[in-house]
Amino acid sequence: NAGVTQTPKFQVLKTGQSMTLQCAQDMNHEYMSWYRQDPGMGLRLIHYSVGAGITDQGEVPNGYNVSRSTTEDFPLRLLSAAPSQTSVYFCASSYGRAQETQYFGPGTRLLVL
Amino acid sequence: KQEVTQIPAALSVPEGENLVLNCSFTDSAIYNLQWFRQDPGKGLTSLLLIQSSQREQTSGRLNASLDKSSGRSTLYIAASQPGDSATYLCGCGDYKLSFGAGTTVTVRA
Repeated sequence: NAGVTQTPKFQVLKTGQSMTLQCAQDMNHEYMSWYRQDPGMGLRLIHYSVGAGITDQGEVPNGYNVSRSTTEDFPLRLLSAAPSQTSVYFCASSYGRAQETQYFGPGTRLLVL
Repeated sequence: KQEVTQIPAALSVPEGENLVLNCSFTDSAIYNLQWFRQDPGKGLTSLLLIQSSQREQTSGRLNASLDKSSGRSTLYIAASQPGDSATYLCGCGDYKLSFGAGTTVTVRA
């Protein structure tokens, strides 16, 4: 199993540009989430999904969209990039709702100029 | 809203010393608590998962305890090694985790 994969590893954007961060898992996990990590802060939840076709907002959803058309993939879209979205983005997945280990991808480092 | 705090933010110890990392949370109604390790520029690797009904979990040199009544968890790493140098994060919740900012550990050879 590849586990949780994320692409790209690093991206530079100009303010106002849009892009999609890709996340995929091959463990047949129903639950997937996106977090951002900023210096000196813990990871913060952006959006999450409890299964194909079902998504919801987390703590910091503004400026981001998600969709879940398959169990395997959970892309995160930046609609109009802003410097405040400079961060490291992590995708995570787990099999069950609770009492299950969460698996994280390697992260995407995003710089918005 | 769950608030998670990890103190200290950084810790430096000589090789062989035992490590004690603290995690406190405000809402005791948690499903589980998970400890992660993060190496620079890398993702999070799960170390231990403590379910809400459990009081501790052990894996090798690692032992994590959970006291929901006081809102605290402690990660013990016995006989630290330079390879243990990393940032350690705790996360509380179910499939949606609330994280502390982490404790960065340096083990000096």
